Amino acid sequence: NAGVTQTPKFQVLKTGQSMTLQCAQDMNHEYMSWYRQDPGMGLRLIHYSVGAGITDQGEVPNGYNVSRSTTEDFPLRLLSAAPSQTSVYFCASSRGGGTAGYTFGSGTRLTVV
Amino acid sequence: GDSVTQMEGPVTLSEEAFLTINCTYTATGYPSLFWYVQYPGEGLQLLLKATKADDKGSNKGFEATYRKETTSFHLEKGSVQVSDSAVYFCAHTPGANSKLTFGKGITLSVRP
Repeated sequence: NAGVTQTPKFQVLKTGQSMTLQCAQDMNHEYMSWYRQDPGMGLRLIHYSVGAGITDQGEVPNGYNVSRSTTEDFPLRLLSAAPSQTSVYFCASSRGGGTAGYTFGSGTRLTVV
Repeated sequence: GDSVTQMEGPVTLSEEAFLTINCTYTATGYPSLFWYVQYPGEGLQLLLKATKADDKGSNKGFEATYRKETTSFHLEKGSVQVSDSAVYFCAHTPGANSKLTFGKGITLSVRP
């Protein structure tokens, strides 16, 4: 099993550019989430989904959009990149929600210049 | 609101030393509690979990007990190894929803 696959692993953007971070899982998990990891801040939830067609905002949603058209995929879109979005982004999925534990991807390191 | 608080780091230990990393939480209802580990350059891995009061989670020599009376889930290991060097995150899922809330993480370095 591939688990949770994130692409790309590294990305450099210029301020104002847009891009999509890809996340795919092959475990048929209903729950998927996006987190950002910043030094001294831990992981903060950006958006999450409890199933195809259902998404909701997390703690830090501004500047990001998501959609969930299939169970497998949960892309994260940066609409107009800002230096404050420089971070490491993690996608995670779970079968039974938080109580079952989440499987994390290996992350995307994004730098906005 | 719901939150997770971890002790301040970083922590540096010698090999075979005893490890305790403190974690406390606030939540309404009865959350599930987790410890995740992040090795250098990797994503997070679930280390152990406990889903109800007095449960003990264990894995790879690490243990943590769900203490409802003190709202704590401290991580312990009797003898750490160099390979345990990583960042450790305490997390919980409060009540009925599926969102996972993390502490800020603590970096553990183990010297040979």
